Amino acid sequence: DTEVTQTPKHLVMGMTNKKSLKCEQHMGHRAMYWYKQKAKKPPELMFVYSYEKLSINESVPSRFSPECPNSSLLNLHLHALQPEDSALYLCASSQGQGMSPLHFGNGTRLTVT
Amino acid sequence: KQEVTQIPAALSVPEGENLVLNCSFTDSAIYNLQWFRQDPGKGLTSLLLIQSSQREQTSGRLNASLDKSSGRSTLYIAASQPGDSATYLCAVRRGGTALIFGKGTTLSVSS
Repeated sequence: DTEVTQTPKHLVMGMTNKKSLKCEQHMGHRAMYWYKQKAKKPPELMFVYSYEKLSINESVPSRFSPECPNSSLLNLHLHALQPEDSALYLCASSQGQGMSPLHFGNGTRLTVT
Repeated sequence: KQEVTQIPAALSVPEGENLVLNCSFTDSAIYNLQWFRQDPGKGLTSLLLIQSSQREQTSGRLNASLDKSSGRSTLYIAASQPGDSATYLCAVRRGGTALIFGKGTTLSVSS
């Protein structure tokens, strides 16, 4: 069982919808990440939060809006997405941004219609 | 810019074989290297983490080595089993950044 929990597991949304992906960890980790993975491709970094502050934004379009309400929670707010945004969205956490390993959740499979 | 390459892209072996997966990276200034397993449609399971000062790590039938100066890592799987079938990803980490992944090796072990 993964120690990083993502909800929902699956999400289908229209291009005009607003939805949110949620991620939770209780390992006391202070860094949290969002990755996007298209089929048969490696995960690509989207955002990094360190001590609840956004530290890296990999030039992600503004229709993706991350939020870190506290050290255990990470949200990804979605609005006006495109069909090409359909992918597996993975959340990860680590003790810090240095030498500690990343722990991944099982992901949210997003389909934009 | 750091690039991570994994060879081969796909591998099929009969049960019981020992096998080696390869990973290379272009910038040797890394903090660590992490090997993951991914089953279809699932998240990533961490297998082994090798810090830049280490040469290898072992967990059960898995052994990962790191040669930082040459920019190479290998994942050795002993006595492969059908349950080992999955995609194996290697990823490197530099200071202040998150992981950079290779494209993975898809392993199929037949019984």
